[in-house]
Amino acid sequence: AQKITQTQPGMFVQEKEAVTLDCTYDTSDQSYGLFWYKQPSSGEMIFLIYQGSYDEQNATEGRYSLNFQKARKSANLVISASQLGDSAMYFCAMRGVYGNKLVFGAGTILRVKS
Amino acid sequence: EAQVTQNPRYLITVTGKKLTVTCSQNMNHEYMSWYRQDPGLGLRQIYYSMNVEVTDKGDVPEGYKVSRKEKRNFPLILESPSPNQTSLYFCASHNLGTRAEAFFGQGTRLTVV
Repeated sequence: AQKITQTQPGMFVQEKEAVTLDCTYDTSDQSYGLFWYKQPSSGEMIFLIYQGSYDEQNATEGRYSLNFQKARKSANLVISASQLGDSAMYFCAMRGVYGNKLVFGAGTILRVKS
Repeated sequence: EAQVTQNPRYLITVTGKKLTVTCSQNMNHEYMSWYRQDPGLGLRQIYYSMNVEVTDKGDVPEGYKVSRKEKRNFPLILESPSPNQTSLYFCASHNLGTRAEAFFGQGTRLTVV
């Protein structure tokens, strides 16, 4: 079975600072994908970044980067230069080799302070 | 524009009254899924479909039905809703493969009284 653990229910960060959202995972699959989604207060799910288990480099998308440590089974999201619009719920998720579902963590609520 | 469309966005109903939440995608994706989101639990898969007429249970299928008669549509049916099905529901679609990004609908907030 696959499992995602997000240990930070809530986080605060000062505007323009960087913040790291933690994500650890558990799977017996050799091939898997890790995703981060953002859910603002309006409720929609916004895809942020993807990391494949065989990708040699950490994924980056603009201000988002993924700190992937395969041996430790962690896939932390780093948001640089936080903005007020980054305040949202953030979900870490994974898809295994069968590809039929995403397994989500419980989420982390991020609040950016001005 | 690539999108997944769910309807309705909000629904309040009474216990036992059958309802259907519709979902449609315009990206020709093979996979479609329904998830429910509850506080502290994240999103959990209810049902999924790998193609037309191929559906299977996810992690929390009790009390739900689905069908996939056309590739683009994947309705979620609650035959006899109960208050513990009050939740935020998402439909999602994606292509095959671990790398494929899942596209989500706008969500349906269901309240069963």
